[in-house]
Amino acid sequence: GEQVEQRPPHLSVREGDSAVITCTYTDPNSYYFFWYKQEPGASLQLLMKVFSSTEINEGQGFTVLLNKKDKRLSLNLTAAHPGDSAAYFCAVSAWTEGADRLTFGKGTQLIIQP
Amino acid sequence: DTTVKQNPRYKLARVGKPVNLICSQTMNHDTMYWYQKKPNQAPKLLLFYYDKILNREADTFEKFQSSRPNNSFCSLYIGSAGLEYSAMYLCASSRVGNYEQYFGPGTRLTVL
Repeated sequence: GEQVEQRPPHLSVREGDSAVITCTYTDPNSYYFFWYKQEPGASLQLLMKVFSSTEINEGQGFTVLLNKKDKRLSLNLTAAHPGDSAAYFCAVSAWTEGADRLTFGKGTQLIIQP
Repeated sequence: DTTVKQNPRYKLARVGKPVNLICSQTMNHDTMYWYQKKPNQAPKLLLFYYDKILNREADTFEKFQSSRPNNSFCSLYIGSAGLEYSAMYLCASSRVGNYEQYFGPGTRLTVL
């Protein structure tokens, strides 16, 4: 089945700096890709989604890049601020064993230092 | 309202005892999911209901049961809790064709 690897597991950057989180996946038939943000004690909240190959999505200070050829998904934070401190999870959707399934990465704990 | 609710938020259970976790959503979503999340691990899909049809993942088939009495509610049932069941349990829901899953805050289960 689908396997998703997310790097790095922990990331600490200074306020105003950039940060990049990357996921690679194995199923070439994967078709929807998501980034979720989880603050302490809170739900997983959908941050961004991307569907098309080599698509770039921007919003909330983040940019998502998808490269289906390399089976790589990245979340780029251009100018970190303290409110960005959270756990981030990528998730890949694929039709597997007769159903649409979401496979998650293990997450990245992002800490923004003042 | 895109809220998924879970009860209880924290649950303490004894080894060998049953556990029942509850999830609800009012978005009229046709699919509801249960995930297990342990520290430093990815959320792992346990089972999901599409309408009234239950699908349980092969590797956890015998460990978890579920019921969905109506569109809004879905439970996760553990017949006999073991130490390995200690985890965060996340409920999610989605509408067919949308693919976005909306997550609840989770129930933290501790088995002693």
